[in-house]
Amino acid sequence: EDKVVQSPLSLVVHEGDTVTLNCSYEVTNFRSLLWYKQEKKAPTFLFMLTSSGIEKKSGRLSSILDKKELFSILNITATQTGDSAIYLCAVRGGSNYKLTFGKGTLLTVNP
Amino acid sequence: NAGVTQTPKFQVLKTGQSMTLQCAQDMNHNSMYWYRQDPGMGLRLIYYSASEGTTDKGEVPNGYNVSRLNKREFSLRLESAAPSQTSVYFCASSEDPAFYNSPLHFGNGTRLTVT
Repeated sequence: EDKVVQSPLSLVVHEGDTVTLNCSYEVTNFRSLLWYKQEKKAPTFLFMLTSSGIEKKSGRLSSILDKKELFSILNITATQTGDSAIYLCAVRGGSNYKLTFGKGTLLTVNP
Repeated sequence: NAGVTQTPKFQVLKTGQSMTLQCAQDMNHNSMYWYRQDPGMGLRLIYYSASEGTTDKGEVPNGYNVSRLNKREFSLRLESAAPSQTSVYFCASSEDPAFYNSPLHFGNGTRLTVT
């Protein structure tokens, strides 16, 4: 059975801090790993990673994948209160390419 | 530029009642999905449709049925609602699951309460 484990499950930081969110996975026929940000409503897409060691970056957010050790990290530098959200990691694999989601990390950024 | 549209936004049902959640996408995507999200459980796949005319069970299909009405629309039906089906339901679409560089695009969700 495919499995995606995120840690920590929740995190409280102060504005300006840097945070690292973790995602480890066990999935057959790995295709890609995706990060989403979920505020009040729909999850919104952040990054898709398919190759090891290549950093994806968007502003203060960056992510990298290690296919040998089966994990990914999402870094957020100089956090802002608007970064408060649930961050979801999902892995696509298996014979039918379905996405398996982790339980998410709830990030709270206090002013 | 609607993306994925779900209706209704909120619904309260009594145990045993039936209802259909509607989903439509205007991105010409081939694949559509229904997920449920419960506290501490993450997003779990109920059913998906890889292309028009096909549907398959996901991780938690019991108590649900789906219809892929056409390329745009994918509905989820609860025939006899149970309190365990209280959840937030998300519809999503993607270009094609075989193109594994296509992310899912989500609707805003339906919050369903079964009493």
